[in-house]
Amino acid sequence: AQSVAQPEDQVNVAEGNPLTVKCTYSVSGNPYLFWYVQYPNRGLQFLLKYITGDNLVKGSYGFEAEFNKSQTSFHLKKPSALVSDSALYFCAVTSSSGGSYIPTFGRGTSLIVHP
Amino acid sequence: DAGVTQSPTHLIKTRGQQVTLRCSPKSGHDTVSWYQQALGQGPQFIFQYYEEEERQRGNFPDRFSGHQFPNYSSELNVNALLLGDSALYLCASSLGMGPGELFFGEGSRLTVL
Repeated sequence: AQSVAQPEDQVNVAEGNPLTVKCTYSVSGNPYLFWYVQYPNRGLQFLLKYITGDNLVKGSYGFEAEFNKSQTSFHLKKPSALVSDSALYFCAVTSSSGGSYIPTFGRGTSLIVHP
Repeated sequence: DAGVTQSPTHLIKTRGQQVTLRCSPKSGHDTVSWYQQALGQGPQFIFQYYEEEERQRGNFPDRFSGHQFPNYSSELNVNALLLGDSALYLCASSLGMGPGELFFGEGSRLTVL
């Protein structure tokens, strides 16, 4: 079985400061990892993914994430937060074991960027 | 390029009724997945359709059923509605069933009274 943990329900950061949203995972086999963002009353939007290759993945809107296999983590980062980054962020994981690629989502982390 | 569209956006039903939600995938996509997102939770996988067949199913009862049409659009049907079915229902499309990113619609907000 695969699972995702987002240990923080909420992250608060001042505008201009760096931000980190944490994610750890558990899968059998090689993981495929994703970050999505959800604005109020909207669907999820894809930010970035790790399939294979470079452990540092760059995505949309200046976000990046670092895959750490030994710590089974895939934390989302941004060097300088914007107020407009305030939203709900979901980490998701899937793998090739089991024959399907259905992702499992975390519970989400609410990011609040203060002016 | 049209993204994923869902209808209706909001609806209110009473316990025991039936509901049908509709989804048109992003242009060029052939695979549709449905998710239930309860308030304060992450999306929970309901089922996935490809080539007009249900390919994968999550831990949802048979009251939840679906269909995919030849034009790749899809429907989600829920029978005998319960209060606990109140949620945001999200449709996601992709190209094939591989580990690619999903493109989500804005969802259908179902309230069961």
